Amino acid sequence: QVQLQESGPGLLKPSQTLSLTCTVSGGSISSGGYYWSWIRQHPGKGLEWIGYIYYSGSTYSSPSLESRVSISVDTSKNQFSLKLSSLTAADTAVYYCGRSNTKQYYYGLDVWGQGTTVTVSS
Amino acid sequence: QSALTQPASVSESPGQSITISCTGTGSDVGGHNYVSWYQQHPGKAPKLIIYEVSNRPSGVSDRFSGSKSGNTASLTISGLQAEDEADYYCNSYTTSRTLVFGGGTKLTVL
Repeated sequence: QVQLQESGPGLLKPSQTLSLTCTVSGGSISSGGYYWSWIRQHPGKGLEWIGYIYYSGSTYSSPSLESRVSISVDTSKNQFSLKLSSLTAADTAVYYCGRSNTKQYYYGLDVWGQGTTVTVSS
Repeated sequence: QSALTQPASVSESPGQSITISCTGTGSDVGGHNYVSWYQQHPGKAPKLIIYEVSNRPSGVSDRFSGSKSGNTASLTISGLQAEDEADYYCNSYTTSRTLVFGGGTKLTVL
């Protein structure tokens, strides 16, 4: 079955840019019908959808973050990535990648990575 | 887009039923049937338990059910068990082709 794994630095400084990668295994990122998502969860808080990308490169982002967010896909590596610029302490969170399945689950996020903790501190 | 509105917490005794509401607008919950629900235990990734308002993925207990009326979706858990104690989140597709989560509800099984 499809599995997702996030990777990237765990500690960054304010004003830096966060770069995370999600590696897809057990299936092809180029399979139609899936949007590849980024979600975050602030410490002790709820889930926040960041954005997603289709294998063709079409992206959609949360209006509250879109000015700082860039999501890209590398089909040759079966990976998709998140860049979040101008970091502040408020970006400290667990970052998840997920698969939004339009074929079976009408955009339901049926596969999730284990999450990676990102801390922004000087 | 604003987060969907959920009660912060609910509690009930084992064997009983609870319903968690999720209120949005005509641009998200009320605009179509792409509403999903997730269960999250501490330190774990969320798990999809309801999709398209009221459907369960294979392997999810039939004690979980969903519904929608207007701009409000609901998750009902019947026959509460200790293992149901978790955080629950609703999510909706929007008319802007984005997704939005609810603020989350902490369920305590007394």
